[in-house]
Amino acid sequence: ETGVTQTPRHLVMGMTNKKSLKCEQHLGHNAMYWYKQSAKKPLELMFVYSLEERVENNSVPSRFSPECPNSSHLFLHLHTLQPEDSALYLCASSQQNRVTGELFFGEGSRLTVL
Amino acid sequence: RKEVEQDPGPFNVPEGATVAFNCTYSNSASQSFFWYRQDCRKEPKLLMSVYSSGNEDGRFTAQLNRASQYISLLIRDSKLSDSATYLCVVPAEGSNYQLIWGAGTKLIIKP
Repeated sequence: ETGVTQTPRHLVMGMTNKKSLKCEQHLGHNAMYWYKQSAKKPLELMFVYSLEERVENNSVPSRFSPECPNSSHLFLHLHTLQPEDSALYLCASSQQNRVTGELFFGEGSRLTVL
Repeated sequence: RKEVEQDPGPFNVPEGATVAFNCTYSNSASQSFFWYRQDCRKEPKLLMSVYSSGNEDGRFTAQLNRASQYISLLIRDSKLSDSATYLCVVPAEGSNYQLIWGAGTKLIIKP
């Protein structure tokens, strides 16, 4: 069983759709992250949850809405997206503060917005 | 100056050769640094952590130059399986969770 699992792996949606990305970690970690990776650009941190509490929110548009119901699950709810939101969305987890800990990533959800 | 800057490459290197690439960073207070590896259409995975002057793990050596604010990654006796994009990562100033990622250096090892 992989440590961090993301579903769906691929998603195509129109600008008026509502969809959700799901992430589950089986590592017993305390922190979970959503990152956005666009082609030839650095990873951009979107949200961080530590012990189910949101601790970072990097000026992400409100059309992206995170949810962390427990320390093993993280969702990213998508609504009224724009074509420029097409990217790879990566979920990650870490045991503790990332300065001393390693980030474990899921395989990502590749999103295409038409 | 970008917070973390890398040469995008690609570096085309024959199998068995030694290759090195650098990463420059702007946060002079950083105490830890990371190299991640990302294979094509896959997720990033931690390759090495650097907390002092450097780190070595088999064929891979990471060196830190604080005075000039860069870290390097050296790969000896390169293998075809080393082909990937290498991401330089530095903690952001004033945040417990923010990491600043470079855009990556693409390495292609040729037979």
